[in-house]
Order: sequence, then C-alpha cells, then structure tokens
Amino acid sequence: DGGITQSPKYLFRKEGQNVTLSCEQNLNHDAMYWYRQDPGQGLRLIYYSQIVNDFQKGDIAEGYSVSREKKESFPLTVTSAQKNPTAFYLCASSLLAQMNTEAFFGQGTRLTVV
Amino acid sequence: AQKVTQAQTEISVVEKEDVTLDCVYETRDTTYYLFWYKQPPSGELVFLIRRNSFDEQNEISGRYSWNFQKSTSSFNFTITASQVVDSAVYFCALSEDMDSSYKLIFGSGTRLLVRP
Repeated sequence: DGGITQSPKYLFRKEGQNVTLSCEQNLNHDAMYWYRQDPGQGLRLIYYSQIVNDFQKGDIAEGYSVSREKKESFPLTVTSAQKNPTAFYLCASSLLAQMNTEAFFGQGTRLTVV
Repeated sequence: AQKVTQAQTEISVVEKEDVTLDCVYETRDTTYYLFWYKQPPSGELVFLIRRNSFDEQNEISGRYSWNFQKSTSSFNFTITASQVVDSAVYFCALSEDMDSSYKLIFGSGTRLLVRP
C-alpha cells in the first residue's frame, strides 16, 4: 500500500543528545514537510522540501536540521540546540509543492526528552 | 499575515446530534485554498476537503457539509447525525502562494467528542 511511514512511533531522548526521526514515502510525491504539534497550538511548519537536494526553513526551524538526498526520504534531526523538543512530529508529502494540492500525513513520532 | 482561528477548543455532543465546527481565516491574497483535516486518535491527519477562494458553493459529502463565506472569511464544517467514530481533532488550514513557495497554515484544532 502507498503511504507515508514514520519511525519510530515513540522516541525518548536524553538532554543534550541529537536524535533523527525517519520519514519515508512511496507515493512518488515531490514535496515533503515536517510539522510539530503541541497541545492547543495546531501544527507548525519546521522544514519543507520541494525537490531532491533542496529544502527551506519553515516557521520554527531553529534547533532542527533535515536532508533530502532521495525523493522518498526526508529525515528530521532534532539537535541539542532545540530548547523544548518534547512534542508530536508529523511528516507529510504532497504530489506537487503547490497551494492546491492536499498533503498526506504519516502517523507521527512522539518525542519525549527525559 | 495569514492566520486561521478555530475558536472552539473542544465540543462534546451526544450521538445523532448535528455539530458545526467553526473556522475563520485571515489573508491578504485573493487566491488561496482552504482545507479541513481530521486527526483520529491514531495520529495521522486525514484530508477531508479542499476549497479554492473563487468557489463559494457549499459542498455536501454524506453526513459532512461545508459552508464557505468569503464575506465573513469563514469556512465552517457541519457533521449531521454525528457518530462515535466522528470523535477526533479537526483542523482547518489555509494555503496560499508566497514568493513561489507553498505553506499550509493550520488552526489550533477543535476536539470533537461524540458520546454514545
């Protein structure tokens, strides 16, 4: 089945560590996105990529990094510079990076700093 | 700046009641798109509907209907004869073209609880 796979579903990180969240899609979509969801705040855009080897910062990129070496994959690294990383992270993709195309979402990764 | 407001944080209804989820948006552009997504307890957001700024026709899909009114910048979502399976968080989102890039701006969501 086509879709977006995020792993792991739950992730625990010690303070000062970097962690990488995986996002893979087999929908042949050009665009991919990372969102952060906090209680009562909706979704906020971290990074997005319209094509391979290219990506742009979203609204809250500080403390995060991404890469887009393959069309299918868009991993997100949460670095130690991110002050409050505990949140639910959602990866999404869309066929084109245009405003009229709907995004498809993965099931999310819940990151907790311990 | 563009903004999406979902003033209802949480709504609780009894099964078979009708319920309307409100969405108010702000944008300077004349061309934009509005979306509704459903987030069930499993976590992933599920696309429900897309509406462009030039199409103010209301839409009905089964028990779901959407009322788009540009005059009040609102894009409200009504569930008729609600069911327990409708329990989820619902997000309204706005998309517009900004310097050749595309961004979805989400509201804070409305949690709907349908009680049996």
